Amino acid sequence: EVQLVESGGGLVQPGESLKLSCAASGFTFSGSAMHWVRQASGKGLEWVGRIRSKAKSYATTYAASVTGRFTISRDDSKNTAYLQMNSLKTEDTAVYYCTRLFVSNTGDYGMDVWGQGTTVTVSS
Amino acid sequence: QTVVTQEPSLTVSPGGTVTLTCASSTGAVTSGYSPNWFQQKPGQAPRALIYSTSNKHSWTPARFSGSLLGGKAALTLSGVQPEDEAEYYCLLYYGGAQLGVFGGGTKLTVL
Repeated sequence: EVQLVESGGGLVQPGESLKLSCAASGFTFSGSAMHWVRQASGKGLEWVGRIRSKAKSYATTYAASVTGRFTISRDDSKNTAYLQMNSLKTEDTAVYYCTRLFVSNTGDYGMDVWGQGTTVTVSS
Repeated sequence: QTVVTQEPSLTVSPGGTVTLTCASSTGAVTSGYSPNWFQQKPGQAPRALIYSTSNKHSWTPARFSGSLLGGKAALTLSGVQPEDEAEYYCLLYYGGAQLGVFGGGTKLTVL
């Protein structure tokens, strides 16, 4: 069964840091790009960023709202992706999801599998 | 800043047909944006429905279909079921999947 499990959420104060993990199973993690998406309570989905595979040089891109503060990384030996969040703001409070980028044999692509999410609260 | 726009809310009767759309502030949506559609019910993680405009995942019910319509991405539900009541989000990719932008979501009510 293809599965993603996020962890590491919690309550932190503004300006602090937090690192989220996304443990993958049931598929070839090393060959997949991984994305992070967040959702503030009662609000819509917001794309946060992504990391590509080793074959694509582990390239990362980020939403403007988190560029310079958030860093996505991965450890293929542990089948785990990470989201390092620094200089956290109250507006970063959200449920954070990791998702896999599915690529078909025709080159079509999209997020398919989602984790259950982990909650980050930034408050003083 | 790129904005992706969806209808805030739509209402459909059971058994009816409804089309949700997804527009880009940069201009017409094409297949190059690889439009994706997701369904989310309260308290649940999003569930993928459509990728690359019109491709269905193995779990996507046949009544869901994706297309391009009048310069927008579109999601059509035919023969709507009560369980289709949910929030629907589109996602467009810019720069060849380098950047993703979600629409604000459409709350679909089945009444």
